[in-house]
Amino acid sequence: AQSVAQPEDQVNVAEGNPLTVKCTYSVSGNPYLFWYVQYPNRGLQFLLKYITGDNLVKGSYGFEAEFNKSQTSFHLKKPSALVSDSALYFCAVRDPLNTGGFKTIFGAGTRLFVKA
Amino acid sequence: GAGVSQSPSNKVTEKGKDVELRCDPISGHTALYWYRQSLGQGLEFLIYFQGNSAPDKSGLPSDRFSAERTGGSVSTLTIQRTQQEDSAVYLCASSINNPGGASGYTFGSGTRLTVV
Repeated sequence: AQSVAQPEDQVNVAEGNPLTVKCTYSVSGNPYLFWYVQYPNRGLQFLLKYITGDNLVKGSYGFEAEFNKSQTSFHLKKPSALVSDSALYFCAVRDPLNTGGFKTIFGAGTRLFVKA
Repeated sequence: GAGVSQSPSNKVTEKGKDVELRCDPISGHTALYWYRQSLGQGLEFLIYFQGNSAPDKSGLPSDRFSAERTGGSVSTLTIQRTQQEDSAVYLCASSINNPGGASGYTFGSGTRLTVV
């Protein structure tokens, strides 16, 4: 069965600095990987996904993520953080072989706090 | 509709009562998912519907929880004899589930359930 881990409960970064939110996964085959963001008092929004192809994927709001198969990681990155990026970020994985069912498994979430 | 619609947005119920939560997915989305987000926790998978296939109920925490999806569209999540530990935000999501499941989800705003 697939699983995903976000090792940091919270990440603090100063505005203008680069940010990284970490994610590692476990699936039996090649994974489908996703990032979602939840802003305060708003619903979850899809940010980006890796399905196949280029290991570096770009998404909304200037975010990008790099798929690293050898390290089973899919860290979320942004070159220059904004205060408005402060939110709860969820990494998610799906096994395209569907050995764990068709569901997507979400990590526990990482709260990003960007200080002005 | 334009997005995933959930109702009610908030529900306060007494312990032991039954509740019904409704989800109206995006028109044309064949896959529908229910997740639960407890305070300070990640997203917990509950149940998944795909077209006319049998639902994946593997995430339902007890037999007090059930869900149905009528006509491949609207879904209702029912919790019988509610307990205080059922208090959470219940999120519904839908997607166009092409083979292999590479689509991201569109989430509703959720129903905040409080059991007193």
